[in-house]
Amino acid sequence: SQTIHQWPATLVQPVGSPLSLECTVEGTSNPNLYWYRQAAGRGLQLLFYSVGIGQISSEVPQNLSASRPQDRQFILSSKKLLLSDSGFYLCAWGRVNYGYTFGSGTRLTVV
Amino acid sequence: GENVEQHPSTLSVQEGDSAVIKCTYSDSASNYFPWYKQELGKRPQLIIDIRSNVGEKKDQRIAVTLNKTAKHFSLHITETQPEDSAVYFCAGDSGGYQKVTFGTGTKLQVIP
Repeated sequence: SQTIHQWPATLVQPVGSPLSLECTVEGTSNPNLYWYRQAAGRGLQLLFYSVGIGQISSEVPQNLSASRPQDRQFILSSKKLLLSDSGFYLCAWGRVNYGYTFGSGTRLTVV
Repeated sequence: GENVEQHPSTLSVQEGDSAVIKCTYSDSASNYFPWYKQELGKRPQLIIDIRSNVGEKKDQRIAVTLNKTAKHFSLHITETQPEDSAVYFCAGDSGGYQKVTFGTGTKLQVIP
């Protein structure tokens, strides 16, 4: 069966510090991978998605970036965090016309 | 691109009553419409989905209907229970793009 791992679960970072969130998928190959952000009490904002190694589509041109160095690994990064980057970050995998499976999420607080 | 609107934003029902959440979409090429349930502090989880070649789909107390002509789809929950309390998101695929667009969510509260 397929599983998705996301870490860390919580993170408190100072403004201006770098960020690296990692997500890995097991039990499937060539998945579509997604990064979402959810502000408190709000909806799901798509940040990036990838349909293959090295292929990244950006939905939100901010100080965030994503990379997919391996088939089942998806990384979200920032060189300098802003207060507005705080939120609940969710990684997901899926296929066309099938539902997404979300990771357990990372709750990021920028202070 | 696809635009998905969801109503209502909040919904309170008495335990045992039915709840209906409605969504509309803009992209006539959309073919796949999933629904997710997100409990407080947890990840969204897929609860039911429907494809454009089907008008209705049921899974126990949950059903989804799709009207492609009108470009709207709805989630129906019957005999609601307190554990149905959560935020529900609808979504629609974006034609040839390998992603879905989510609605803004409906917070459902089931009152015991």
